[in-house]
Amino acid sequence: QKEVEQNSGPLSVPEGAIASLNCTYSDRGSQSFFWYRQYSGKSPELIMSIYSNGDKEDGRFTAQLNKASQYVSLLIRDSQPSDSATYLCAVNMKNSGYSTLTFGKGTMLLVSP
Amino acid sequence: DAGVTQSPTHLIKTRGQQVTLRCSPKSGHDTVSWYQQALGQGPQFIFQYYEEEERQRGNFPDRFSGHQFPNYSSELNVNALLLGDSALYLCASSWNGALHSGANVLTFGAGSRLTVL
Repeated sequence: QKEVEQNSGPLSVPEGAIASLNCTYSDRGSQSFFWYRQYSGKSPELIMSIYSNGDKEDGRFTAQLNKASQYVSLLIRDSQPSDSATYLCAVNMKNSGYSTLTFGKGTMLLVSP
Repeated sequence: DAGVTQSPTHLIKTRGQQVTLRCSPKSGHDTVSWYQQALGQGPQFIFQYYEEEERQRGNFPDRFSGHQFPNYSSELNVNALLLGDSALYLCASSWNGALHSGANVLTFGAGSRLTVL
């Protein structure tokens, strides 16, 4: 069973702090990794994608990928109350030659003013 | 540019009934994937449609079926509803060319929230 694991949280951080969200995956052949943000009652929205080992920065968000350790993380700098949401890690896994996204259960982030 | 649209947004059914959910993909997208998201869980892959055929399926029973039309829109049908089918059903579209490159960026619709009583 190909899996994506996340700590369900909640992860609580004060406003202005750095939030660190982590994800591990089981399929060594995975090539594409995504972070989606989901507000309560809403659908997921893509915030970051990463395909190569190392860091990728976009504004206050940094995605980090380590394929050898099968580990991907998301850092949110200067966290804001509006960042409070569930963050879903998604991994592109190949089954029968076709790619599908497998999601973790999500980590709930709470940013307090 | 319209994104992914789903209908209905909310619906209530009773056990044993059947339901049909509809999805129109984002302009330029030709592949539709359906996900089920139970409360407090991540989205679970149901199946994916491309060129009007189901080409990949997750661990869901045959009660779950689907269809894709020539205009790339799609339907999800669930027969003999169970209480456990209560969930948010998400449609996500993508471009098949991106799938082959591994990019596979999904754009999600707002979802259809199904409650089974």
